[in-house]
Amino acid sequence: DTAVSQTPKYLVTQMGNDKSIKCEQNLGHDTMYWYKQDSKKFLKIMFSYNNKELIINETVPNRFSPKSPDKAHLNLHINSLELGDSAVYFCASSQGLRGPQETQYFGPGTRLLVL
Amino acid sequence: AQSVTQLDSQVPVFEEAPVELRCNYSSSVSVYLFWYVQYPNQGLQLLLKYLSGSTLVKGINGFEAEFNKSQTSFHLRKPSVHISDTAEYFCAVREVNNDMRFGAGTRLTVKP
Repeated sequence: DTAVSQTPKYLVTQMGNDKSIKCEQNLGHDTMYWYKQDSKKFLKIMFSYNNKELIINETVPNRFSPKSPDKAHLNLHINSLELGDSAVYFCASSQGLRGPQETQYFGPGTRLLVL
Repeated sequence: AQSVTQLDSQVPVFEEAPVELRCNYSSSVSVYLFWYVQYPNQGLQLLLKYLSGSTLVKGINGFEAEFNKSQTSFHLRKPSVHISDTAEYFCAVREVNNDMRFGAGTRLTVKP
């Protein structure tokens, strides 16, 4: 009965490939997020999304795109992978519409290594 | 926009000793403050959060934090740590109509 799940847990791939990371939440939340955690453990938001609005961090390359088939899923698609994309990617969700006081619930992370 | 500074990247302590992990923030408006913990190879878990009201916030696992508006700080404390508290701790701040910003993290290592 995992609240926020991500697949795969580990992903090793070659430069130039296209890959997707899946995220599902069974909490009935309205908003989902993607974060990138770099090698120095610094967490940075990439996207936040609910059924009405996608907010993109302006520093995120357009090779990254979120795709949401339904409210419970927010997948992350990455085109033309680069070495610098190697990181841990965390999915998160919160109950309402991005309210600042809301608790975000995080998935276990996907460790991406680009060779 | 808001920013968060965690003053110590690593904090080593002995088991049963008290610990304080420091967090300062900058913002021109009211903020909501959070502490998250990340155990090895796991996702982040919420320890506690300050929204309003009492400045002393109690969280899970015996942790507490105090919001100090004049010093723009939200330090995390525990009176007696256990080996199992070894983890990375992240302070986060969020303004209204803005995204959550995380600090760089503090690695707490509890030694026997």
